[in-house]
Amino acid sequence: GQSLEQPSEVTAVEGAIVQINCTYQTSGFYGLSWYQQHDGGAPTFLSYNGLDGLEETGRFSSFLSRSDSYGYLLLQELQMKDSASYFCAVGAGGKLIFGQGTELSVKP
Amino acid sequence: DAGVIQSPRHEVTEMGQEVTLRCKPISGHNSLFWYRQTMMRGLELLIYFNNNVPIDDSGMPEDRFSAKMPNASFSTLKIQPSEPRDSAVYFCASSLLEQGAYEQYFGPGTRLTVT
Repeated sequence: GQSLEQPSEVTAVEGAIVQINCTYQTSGFYGLSWYQQHDGGAPTFLSYNGLDGLEETGRFSSFLSRSDSYGYLLLQELQMKDSASYFCAVGAGGKLIFGQGTELSVKP
Repeated sequence: DAGVIQSPRHEVTEMGQEVTLRCKPISGHNSLFWYRQTMMRGLELLIYFNNNVPIDDSGMPEDRFSAKMPNASFSTLKIQPSEPRDSAVYFCASSLLEQGAYEQYFGPGTRLTVT
């Protein structure tokens, strides 16, 4: 079967750094994606890791360790607008399987 | 450029009625995915198509659910008959098959309420 685990919620203050972890178990794994979803909105793509290591896109970075079946999303210089749910998703067999999501609350 | 288009945005119907949700993927995209999102079950993949052909429908909950993609620019998800437990937000997403499924573009969703 396939399973993903990520924390259900995280709270941080504006300007801080926060890391959202994701562990997974799946067969046919080909990569880890991260999506952001604001309340009432649609998921939007943030990043993808097909290989081990760190990918950086502006304030956001994502990391993957295939040997540990582990990845994380790092958000720096947090802003109020970063308050949202963040989903990790494993790619396997031509589709994505999404985790349950981490609700990030950014406080002033 | 227009993103993924879904209609209707909101649907309220009574138990037992037929519901049809519609999706227009991004032009040029050749993979299309239907998801359902609820608080309890999260974001679940129902079915996906590559080049208009259904590839994996293992997430379709019951025979009451069916999906079609008659051409590259249109797909439908039908529920017949609908039940209160089908109440959820249904998302359609599209991507380029050649790039893998990792970067998907989601439509705004259809919020379905079955009373």
